[in-house]
Amino acid sequence: GAGVSQSPSNKVTEKGKDVELRCDPISGHTALYWYRQSLGQGLEFLIYFQGNSAPDKSGLPSDRFSAERTGGSVSTLTIQRTQQEDSAVYLCASSLAVGGSTGELFFGEGSRLTVL
Amino acid sequence: AQSVAQPEDQVNVAEGNPLTVKCTYSVSGNPYLFWYVQYPNRGLQFLLKYITGDNLVKGSYGFEAEFNKSQTSFHLKKPSALVSDSALYFCAVFGGYQKVTFGIGTKLQVIP
Repeated sequence: GAGVSQSPSNKVTEKGKDVELRCDPISGHTALYWYRQSLGQGLEFLIYFQGNSAPDKSGLPSDRFSAERTGGSVSTLTIQRTQQEDSAVYLCASSLAVGGSTGELFFGEGSRLTVL
Repeated sequence: AQSVAQPEDQVNVAEGNPLTVKCTYSVSGNPYLFWYVQYPNRGLQFLLKYITGDNLVKGSYGFEAEFNKSQTSFHLKKPSALVSDSALYFCAVFGGYQKVTFGIGTKLQVIP
């Protein structure tokens, strides 16, 4: 597609349920990032992929969070047994190369997660 | 580790006046520096970047930023603010640790 696409745009779930958030990056972009944006917390790095490999998972808040990327394209962020503190906007970005060294990150519109 | 500091939660400026949004960074080696803007209920958009070369870089919407290596700063500037510039601004750095680190963001409010 022309830009980074994320789905769902909004998700309301009950505490304890699992959720999946999807990111479809710009075609040809090898690097893919997940960030979390909470009110007053700025952008929190979660994980990045170079191709299908995730060299840095250090930002994942707990073992309830996992992510995968297949075919060097679509990525899924899964949150198991959601908690209220997981409520945030989850942003996905892609770039031509790791670190945006050949240019900028292109962001999707985000997935707003609300855990009741 | 690399980090970015945006010391001001909010900056208020009158329309037509010059604006500055501050950013300092910490990184090993030569930094790649970026500014992004986020309008309400939208994703982040790239404004400008510094990789190498001239310390003053120009970007979208009339914005520019000055790289100062000795002060480890990369402040965002615009000579004349518009009401439509009101948004959340993020500074970011890539220092070779294979990830881009963002600051906490600064809310810019341009007053008519």
